[in-house]
Amino acid sequence: GENVEQHPSTLSVQEGDSAVIKCTYSDSASNYFPWYKQELGKRPQLIIDIRSNVGEKKDQRIAVTLNKTAKHFSLHITETQPEDSAVYFCAASIRGYQKVTFGIGTKLQVIP
Amino acid sequence: EAGVVQSPRYKIIEKKQPVAFWCNPISGHNTLYWYRQNLGQGPELLIRYENEEAVDDSQLPKDRFSAERLKGVDSTLKIQPAELGDSAVYLCASSLQVNSGANVLTFGAGSRLTVL
Repeated sequence: GENVEQHPSTLSVQEGDSAVIKCTYSDSASNYFPWYKQELGKRPQLIIDIRSNVGEKKDQRIAVTLNKTAKHFSLHITETQPEDSAVYFCAASIRGYQKVTFGIGTKLQVIP
Repeated sequence: EAGVVQSPRYKIIEKKQPVAFWCNPISGHNTLYWYRQNLGQGPELLIRYENEEAVDDSQLPKDRFSAERLKGVDSTLKIQPAELGDSAVYLCASSLQVNSGANVLTFGAGSRLTVL
């Protein structure tokens, strides 16, 4: 089955700096890669996703990149703000096949 | 739209006791997931339903865990008997496959289980 590895497990940045979280996946059939944000005590919520026919996707301060050949994808947050502090999970799945496999999460702390 | 509704939000039991969690998915979502999330870890799939059929239960510890999804809507996850290691947050999620095939999961608030 699919295996998703995520790093780093914790990340501290100064407010205004950029943060990068990286994930790798094992199943070359995976073609949909969502990112979820989970604030303390709350449910995971989708913040951005990317399909395998796209190399990069951007939404305001967040962007995702995908390298299909290397089977890795990354989340980039620019101009970080304290409200970005949360745990971020990457995931991988096969479109049309509803199984979603999550990474272990990255705890991001933005220091004011 | 109420979103995915789970109950109870918190449950504290002693080991060897039974416990059940309930989930009501978003109306019209045909796929329902139960995930277990240990502290500091990502969600791990326990079981996935397509309508009323369990299509992936390979990670469900079947000696003590059971689940059902009646009429392809609500679902119940049961643990009997509970063990100390079952302490975790049990997340229910649902999704609707769209034309793009993107599997967008909507999670419930979770049920936090503490086994003493």
